[in-house]
Amino acid sequence: DGGITQSPKYLFRKEGQNVTLSCEQNLNHDAMYWYRQDPGQGLRLIYYSQIVNDFQKGDIAEGYSVSREKKESFPLTVTSAQKNPTAFYLCASGTGWIDGYTFGSGTRLTVV
Amino acid sequence: AQTVTQSQPEMSVQEAETVTLSCTYDTSESDYYLFWYKQPPSRQMILVIRQEAYKQQNATENRFSVNFQKAAKSFSLKISDSQLGDAAMYFCAYRGLFGNEKLTFGTGTRLTIIP
Repeated sequence: DGGITQSPKYLFRKEGQNVTLSCEQNLNHDAMYWYRQDPGQGLRLIYYSQIVNDFQKGDIAEGYSVSREKKESFPLTVTSAQKNPTAFYLCASGTGWIDGYTFGSGTRLTVV
Repeated sequence: AQTVTQSQPEMSVQEAETVTLSCTYDTSESDYYLFWYKQPPSRQMILVIRQEAYKQQNATENRFSVNFQKAAKSFSLKISDSQLGDAAMYFCAYRGLFGNEKLTFGTGTRLTIIP
């Protein structure tokens, strides 16, 4: 079955460490997105990519980095420069048509 | 920039009753897409219903329907015959018409179903 797989489901990071969240899709979607979800703030866009080897900053890109070397994969690195990384992270992909996005099941990142 | 506003952080409804969740948005575009997503406790985002702005007819999916008022930039979600499984966070979202435009979300409404 086609879908989006995010891993790990839970991730713990020590202060000063970089961590990478994985997002893989087998839907043959061109576009992929990373959102951050905090209580009371909805979903905020971190980065998005509309094609391989190209990506754009979203509304809250500071402290994050991404790559898009393959159509299927869009990993997100949370760097030590991100001051408040504890949050729920959602990856999504889309075709550009009315069917909207397909979301992964999310990664809960906690700084310890 | 487009913005989406959900003014009701929490709502509750008796089981089997009807509830309406509000959403307003701001855009300078004439054509776009609007969505309602549901996020149950599992946190999986589920598409509930979608509306193309160039269609005047309001979208309907079983017990879910929308009231789309383009001039007022309003996009409310009506849930009829509420069920316990409808309990979730509901997010309104906006997307431009062309290409793989990003989704802009509101802050969400937490819906509680009272047995």
